[in-house]
Amino acid sequence: AQSVTQLGSHVSVSEGALVLLRCNYSSSVPPYLFWYVQYPNQGLQLLLKYTSAATLVKGINGFEAEFKKSETSFHLTKPSAHMSDAAEYFCAVTSSGAGSYQLTFGKGTKLSVIP
Amino acid sequence: ETGVTQTPRHLVMGMTNKKSLKCEQHLGHNAMYWYKQSAKKPLELMFVYSLEERVENNSVPSRFSPECPNSSHLFLHLHTLQPEDSALYLCASSAGTVQNNEQFFGPGTRLTVL
Repeated sequence: AQSVTQLGSHVSVSEGALVLLRCNYSSSVPPYLFWYVQYPNQGLQLLLKYTSAATLVKGINGFEAEFKKSETSFHLTKPSAHMSDAAEYFCAVTSSGAGSYQLTFGKGTKLSVIP
Repeated sequence: ETGVTQTPRHLVMGMTNKKSLKCEQHLGHNAMYWYKQSAKKPLELMFVYSLEERVENNSVPSRFSPECPNSSHLFLHLHTLQPEDSALYLCASSAGTVQNNEQFFGPGTRLTVL
């Protein structure tokens, strides 16, 4: 079984400040990990994914995430927040093993950016 | 139209009504998904179709009935719903399994059950 925990349902940062959204996972097999973003009135869009190649993964819009096996974490960061980053962010996990259609999502973290 | 489209975008229905949600993907994908998104809960995968065959059915009540007539279209038929079924229903598609293929999501249908 796999699960994802996102710490903090709501995070506020000032424009230009560091963005840090936390994600911890639980998986009995090596995981693949994903971050998705959802803007208001839209579906989810893939930001980045970890598939066991490099532990530091770069995504779209200046976001990156680092896979830390020892901490079972996959935190999302961006050096400088922009107003357009205000959205809800979801971490998700799946098994790296046999092909699956199942993604397990966290509850999401809503990011507010203060001007 | 491009990407994944869903109609209607908003739906209000009574508990005795029958309605259907429609999803269409214009990406040439062969897998399609229905998710339920409720406030303060993780996204719940409801159904997955691959090459028009159902491959996942995550203990969804029978009042939700999916239909996949071809690889581009997916329906969710609704009948005798409960108020707790009010949620955002998202459709997604992918070119294959999630390990190697990105899921593309539609904008969702906001469902309210009175």
